[in-house]
Amino acid sequence: GENVEQHPSTLSVQEGDSAVIKCTYSDSASNYFPWYKQELGKRPQLIIDIRSNVGEKKDQRIAVTLNKTAKHFSLHITETQPEDSAVYFCAAKQSAGGTSYGKLTFGQGTILTVHP
Amino acid sequence: KAGVTQTPRYLIKTRGQQVTLSCSPISGHRSVSWYQQTPGQGLQFLFEYFSETQRNKGNFPGRFSGRQFSNSRSEMNVSTLELGDSALYLCASSLSGASTDTQYFGPGTRLTVL
Repeated sequence: GENVEQHPSTLSVQEGDSAVIKCTYSDSASNYFPWYKQELGKRPQLIIDIRSNVGEKKDQRIAVTLNKTAKHFSLHITETQPEDSAVYFCAAKQSAGGTSYGKLTFGQGTILTVHP
Repeated sequence: KAGVTQTPRYLIKTRGQQVTLSCSPISGHRSVSWYQQTPGQGLQFLFEYFSETQRNKGNFPGRFSGRQFSNSRSEMNVSTLELGDSALYLCASSLSGASTDTQYFGPGTRLTVL
């Protein structure tokens, strides 16, 4: 089955700096890669996603890049703010069919701390 | 639209008991997936339901089961609770569970097994 590795496990930056979180996946059939942000005691919230027919997607201060050949994707947050502090999870999902429905395989998470 | 809701939000049970958790998806969403979140194992997929049918199942023992009703609401049941079942149980809904459907999470049910 799919395996997703996420690095780093913790990341500490100063306000205004950029933060980069990287994930690798194992199954070349995966074609959907969402990123979730989870604040303490709250539900995971989708912040950005990318589909395998796209190499990069940007939404204001957040961007995601995908390298299908190398099977890795990354989250980039620019001009970080203290409210960006949270746990970030990457995930991968296989194309539909067979046993892949509904199953997101998650990375282990990155604790991002943005210091004022 | 109202988001995904889960009840109850907190549960305390003792070993050997059973528990039922409920999830109401976003209106119009027909796929409901369940995940277990623990500090050690992270977010792990339990199962997914669509149109009252289980379409996919993760690597959990048979003590974990679920069902979905005609209105797409879903329940999961854990029988013969063990200490290791203590976790945050999250459900997520999507339109159809297709490969590129976005999954929206509920707030979770925090289960503590004593």
